[in-house]
Amino acid sequence: NAGVMQNPRHLVRRRGQEARLRCSPMKGHSHVYWYRQLPEEGLKFMVYLQKENIIDESGMPKERFSAEFPKEGPSILRIQQVVRGDSAAYFCASSPLGGGANTGELFFGEGSRLTVL
Amino acid sequence: AQSVSQHNHHVILSEAASLELGCNYSYGGTVNLFWYVQYPGQHLQLLLKYFSGDPLVKGIKGFEAEFIKSKFSFNLRKPSVQWSDTAEYFCAVINYGGSQGNLIFGKGTKLSVKP
Repeated sequence: NAGVMQNPRHLVRRRGQEARLRCSPMKGHSHVYWYRQLPEEGLKFMVYLQKENIIDESGMPKERFSAEFPKEGPSILRIQQVVRGDSAAYFCASSPLGGGANTGELFFGEGSRLTVL
Repeated sequence: AQSVSQHNHHVILSEAASLELGCNYSYGGTVNLFWYVQYPGQHLQLLLKYFSGDPLVKGIKGFEAEFIKSKFSFNLRKPSVQWSDTAEYFCAVINYGGSQGNLIFGKGTKLSVKP
């Protein structure tokens, strides 16, 4: 499905700059999840949000990273003062109410690839 | 901590060959198990899932996986691969009843099928 839209697909930043990654969930989906894939690694869970609420941020780095899913508009993953180690693919997924990984109803976007120079 | 191991980083097969991709997880409790596939340039898609019941699970495109609880394994199989199966395959696990998003993924196995 092409329902989960992420942009930008590719983003280049210099060390110290800010990166903002956007995710529009599938129509009708109220839950959003962010994952990070470092080179040669599997996807790692970062954060799970519902509209205006962070439900689980156990995978988020303690500093420089934040996420929001406002009442209107896309979910935003924000990385402040980027460092080279932040270079990765960031994937967003969405699910309908009552769905999620436990039901297998998790739909992924194509990812945003961040390169930090 | 939970982890998922995929034994092969890159598998190269000829068309019509049989496929088996290994996946082992470390968690003693009840889990839900998944295989996802990512075709070149596309998003991750769910291939199949196991929650309970028959440990042999059928998925899309002729894939199947067998859950062997005693071995903590969930290997993916296909009797005869096609060139179009060229993709990266990810095994994933979540604690039953755990946080809805906290899937634990393996590192992935790249499958290249030669025509």
